[in-house]
Order: sequence, then C-alpha cells, then structure tokens
Amino acid sequence: DTEVTQTPKHLVMGMTNKKSLKCEQHMGHRAMYWYKQKAKKPPELMFVYSYEKLSINESVPSRFSPECPNSSLLNLHLHALQPEDSALYLCASSQESGWGVGAFFGQGTRLTVV
Amino acid sequence: DQQVKQNSPSLSVQEGRISILNCDYTNSMFDYFLWYKKYPAEGPTFLISISSIKDKNEDGRFTVFLNKSAKHLSLHIVPSQPGDSAVYFCAASYPVNQFYFGTGTSLTVIP
Repeated sequence: DTEVTQTPKHLVMGMTNKKSLKCEQHMGHRAMYWYKQKAKKPPELMFVYSYEKLSINESVPSRFSPECPNSSLLNLHLHALQPEDSALYLCASSQESGWGVGAFFGQGTRLTVV
Repeated sequence: DQQVKQNSPSLSVQEGRISILNCDYTNSMFDYFLWYKKYPAEGPTFLISISSIKDKNEDGRFTVFLNKSAKHLSLHIVPSQPGDSAVYFCAASYPVNQFYFGTGTSLTVIP
C-alpha cells in the first residue's frame, strides 16, 4: 500500500465553522506533512511532524491546528478561517531517511471558505 | 522569497523528442533535489531525485542533471510520450524533512 489518503476531497465551510481535514498512510513513514497549494502556485509547506511530534511550523496562523494522534494519522483542525484560506490542502509522508523516493502525496482536500 | 524557481511556465514538445525542464535554486544549503509530476485533481507524484553529491541520476526515460556551481538542475525526458503531459515541479530539501517546491512547468507532449 503506497497511498496517502485524504478526507474529505472537498469541503465548504463558513468563517465561523470548525472542521478537520484527515490524512492517513500505512507505509510506516515517520514524517508527515501538510502543504497548502493555491491555484497556479507551488505547494507551500505548513507543518512537518516527525515521529508524531511537531518539528516544523512554517509560521502558520493559529486558526490552523495540526494534530498527529498516531504514526499513521495526521489531522488539520480548522477554525475561524478566512476566504483567502481557500486552497488545495495536501498531505504527504516520507521515510525519515532513505531520500530516494521523496515524499508521497495524497490527492488533497479542496477547501472553500465562504 | 521563492528559493526554487522554474522560469518556464509551459513547454510543448513533439512525441518522441526530448523534453528538458529546468529549475534554479538560490539556497546553497539544499542537499537533495526531487522532481514531481502532477496531474489535475491529483497530488504530486514523486518522479526522480538526486543528491547534492552527484551530478546525474537516471531512471528509464528520465534523467536529472545537477550543476551545483550554477545552482541549476534539469530533467530530461527521452523519448517524450503523450502520457508525460502534466505539471512538473522541482523541489529541494534542507534540512531533513523540509521540501520546497518550484512554481511548476506545464509540459504538453503533442502526438
């Protein structure tokens, strides 16, 4: 199984809502990532979890709250988002070492904030 | 500030010919470079990588070249096939577990 599964695929939420994005992998990868991608822009790194601990936070606003409940799951909790947060949110995972295969990405969650 | 740049937003190539996609970077600390391929409505898919201690890596039709002094890498696809039509992102990494992506080049292979 070489998949990273993200749910939901699409999400529309109001600015006062609370929602969560979910990501799951069963490849035994110990590094997991959240990326944000706006149209016609490259993916931008948001968070990195390494061995279930937050290792990198790229100055992301607190309305985005990541969580890694176990080595296979990664969540992104959303609260009080703004319309400009509408984007494709990509989850990825990789081995801690053995760079040969890079990171595996999920298909993303298309988020629209209204 | 964009540390990884792909200056050609699009490229069209005839089937069977060589596709050359270019990427430049500014951070000399990057020690690992990767190419990803992305189809619409899908996440990026890893294609090929190269460590900074090498200058070339080959995998089938795909070859990546790294010129550290010029801070430049390129992806060669030979021969190009219509199924190669996609957006190609280069990415660079430093330190461990931080991948930074270029802006992407949309490749169209014309049958």
